[in-house]
Amino acid sequence: DGGITQSPKYLFRKEGQNVTLSCEQNLNHDAMYWYRQDPGQGLRLIYYSQIVNDFQKGDIAEGYSVSREKKESFPLTVTSAQKNPTAFYLCASKGRFNEKLFFGSGTQLSVL
Amino acid sequence: AQTVTQSQPEMSVQEAETVTLSCTYDTSESDYYLFWYKQPPSRQMILVIRQEAYKQQNATENRFSVNFQKAAKSFSLKISDSQLGDAAMYFCAYRPEITSGSARQLTFGSGTQLTVLP
Repeated sequence: DGGITQSPKYLFRKEGQNVTLSCEQNLNHDAMYWYRQDPGQGLRLIYYSQIVNDFQKGDIAEGYSVSREKKESFPLTVTSAQKNPTAFYLCASKGRFNEKLFFGSGTQLSVL
Repeated sequence: AQTVTQSQPEMSVQEAETVTLSCTYDTSESDYYLFWYKQPPSRQMILVIRQEAYKQQNATENRFSVNFQKAAKSFSLKISDSQLGDAAMYFCAYRPEITSGSARQLTFGSGTQLTVLP
């Protein structure tokens, strides 16, 4: 079945450590997105990518980095510069001619 | 910049009754899309319904319908015959029509937590 896979489901980060969240899709979608969700809040955009080897900063990109070397993959790295990384992270993708955004099941990141 | 406001952090409804969730937005665009997403305890985001701004007719999907008032920039969601499975966080979202340049993403409201009482 087609869909978006995020891993791991839970992730713990030590202080000063970089961690990478995986997002893979087999929907042949061009656009991919990373959102951050904090308790009681809506989703905020971190980064997005319209095409391979290209990506753009969203509203809260500081302390994060991404890459888009393959159409299917859009990993997010939470760097040590992100001082408040504890949140739920959602990856999404969208086809070129479809307005529907498909979401993964998310990764909960916590700080040890 | 576009903003989306959901003024009801929490709502409750009796099973089988009807409930309306409110959403307002601010934009200078004339063409755009509006969405309602549902996030159950599993935290999976599920698209409930969408509305194209150029369409005057309100969108409906089974028990879910919207009241889209473009001039008032209002986009409320009505859930009829509420079921226990409707309990979730509901997010309103906005996206402008893409004409050129970057594929701008959705702007989300802060959400309304809906409780369905048996």
